[in-house]
Amino acid sequence: DAGVIQSPRHEVTEMGQEVTLRCKPISGHDYLFWYRQTMMRGLELLIYFNNNVPIDDSGMPEDRFSAKMPNASFSTLKIQPSEPRDSAVYFCASTRWWGSGNTIYFGEGSWLTVV
Amino acid sequence: GQQVMQIPQYQHVQEGEDFTTYCNSSTTLSNIQWYKQRPGGHPVFLIQLVKSGEVKKQKRLTFQFGEAKKNSSLHITATQTTDVGTYFCAGLDNYGQNFVFGPGTRLSVLP
Repeated sequence: DAGVIQSPRHEVTEMGQEVTLRCKPISGHDYLFWYRQTMMRGLELLIYFNNNVPIDDSGMPEDRFSAKMPNASFSTLKIQPSEPRDSAVYFCASTRWWGSGNTIYFGEGSWLTVV
Repeated sequence: GQQVMQIPQYQHVQEGEDFTTYCNSSTTLSNIQWYKQRPGGHPVFLIQLVKSGEVKKQKRLTFQFGEAKKNSSLHITATQTTDVGTYFCAGLDNYGQNFVFGPGTRLSVLP
C-alpha cells in the first residue's frame, strides 16, 4: 500500500503569498490529521477530519489557516497570507479508526520556508 | 487540558551505552504509543501499550506502561548509531477524545 502522500515536499515562498499544501491519505483511513512541527513548539495538531468532516480545528493558529477535505482521498491546508513564523514542517497523517489500537501513519512532510 | 511531558529533552550517549526516556501524562491514559523520527524524516510508529504495567520488547527496545497508566518509558540497550533520532510518546485520554504527543527526546549516539 502507498503511504500518506504529501506535496509539495519543499516550498519556499515570500511573505504575503498564498501557500497550499496537499495530502492524500491511505485508502480506507477515515481520519486525517494535519500537524505542524517546529523546534520551538514541537509537534502540534492543527486540525483533524473524520469521514471528510472537520472535527477539531482548535489547533489552527488563526484565520490565515484553513483546511478542507472535499473527498476521502484528498485534503488541503492553505495559508493566506503566509508569514515568516509559518515556516515549519507540515505533516499530514491518517488512521483507520479512532481509539485504542489505532496507528497513525505520517506522510513525509512538507517543508515550508516563508521569507 | 491533557499534557504529556518527556524527559530528558536531549540525551547524548556513547555507542554501546544504554538510553532511557520517560513520558508522563497529566491524566490517566487509555493507551500510549511511541514513535521514532529520524533527522529529516517523519514520525514512525514503534509500539502501543494498553494494559496497566504492560511491558513489551522489540529487540534492544523495552517499553513499559506504568501501573497508574499515567507514565511510560522506553529503554534502549546498547545503543547503536542507527538509534539516532527523536522519540515521541503520544497518549490517548480515557475518554478517547484527545491524542497528545509529548515534546520528544532527541537521542544522539556518538560512535
